[in-house]
Amino acid sequence: DADVTQTPRNRITKTGKRIMLECSQTKGHDRMYWYRQDPGLGLRLIYYSFDVKDINKGEISDGYSVSRQAQAKFSLSLESAIPNQTALYFCATSDSVGGGEDETQYFGPGTRLLVL
Amino acid sequence: AQSVTQLGSHVSVSEGALVLLRCNYSSSVPPYLFWYVQYPNQGLQLLLKYTSAATLVKGINGFEAEFKKSETSFHLTKPSAHMSDAAEYFCAVSGTNDYKLSFGAGTTVTVRA
Repeated sequence: DADVTQTPRNRITKTGKRIMLECSQTKGHDRMYWYRQDPGLGLRLIYYSFDVKDINKGEISDGYSVSRQAQAKFSLSLESAIPNQTALYFCATSDSVGGGEDETQYFGPGTRLLVL
Repeated sequence: AQSVTQLGSHVSVSEGALVLLRCNYSSSVPPYLFWYVQYPNQGLQLLLKYTSAATLVKGINGFEAEFKKSETSFHLTKPSAHMSDAAEYFCAVSGTNDYKLSFGAGTTVTVRA
C-alpha cells in the first residue's frame, strides 16, 4: 500500500463550489505539506503543518484553507473554487526525527483538479 | 530565502547519450539540495540529495549530482540515457532547519531511440 495517499485522484467542479482534497499518510511523519503544480512553474507551497496544532501559510495560500485532523491526515479546501485553481495538487510528508539532514519529503500521487 | 533556477525547460537526448540537467541555487544559509523525478501521471520521487556531506552525490537509477559552492550549482548527470529516463525532473532547495522546499520550474527529458 502507498505510504501517502490522496483522494480523489481526479475531480471536476464548477466555479463557486466548495471542494476538499484529502491526504493520508502511514509513514508516521509529523510534517505535512500541500503544493500545487502548474506547467512551467514547478511546485509551489500552499500550506504546511509541522504538527497537529501547527498550521502555516505557504507562498500561495489565498483562496485555500487546510485542516490537520490528526497526525496522519491533512485536508486542503477550496471554499469557492475558481478556474485559475485548476492544477495538479500534491500532498507531501517529512519527518523531523532525522533532524536537519533528513529533509526528504515524500509525495502522494497527486489530485488533478479542473474548475470549470 | 532560498530559490533554484533550472536552465532549460526541455532536454532531448539520444538513448545512450549523456544526460545533463542544470540547476543553480540561491541561498542565504548552507543549503540542502534535492533532485526529484516525476514520471507521467505519478507523484514526485527522490533521486538524490545533498546535505553537506560528500559534494558528489549518487542517487538511484544511475544519476549523480555534484555540489559546487563556488558556482552555486547542483547539476544532475547520467552517463548513458535509457528510454525509461523520460520524465520531468525538479531541483529543489531548503535552508538548514528550514524544512520547506523551494522547487525549480522543472526540466522535461525526452529520450530518442
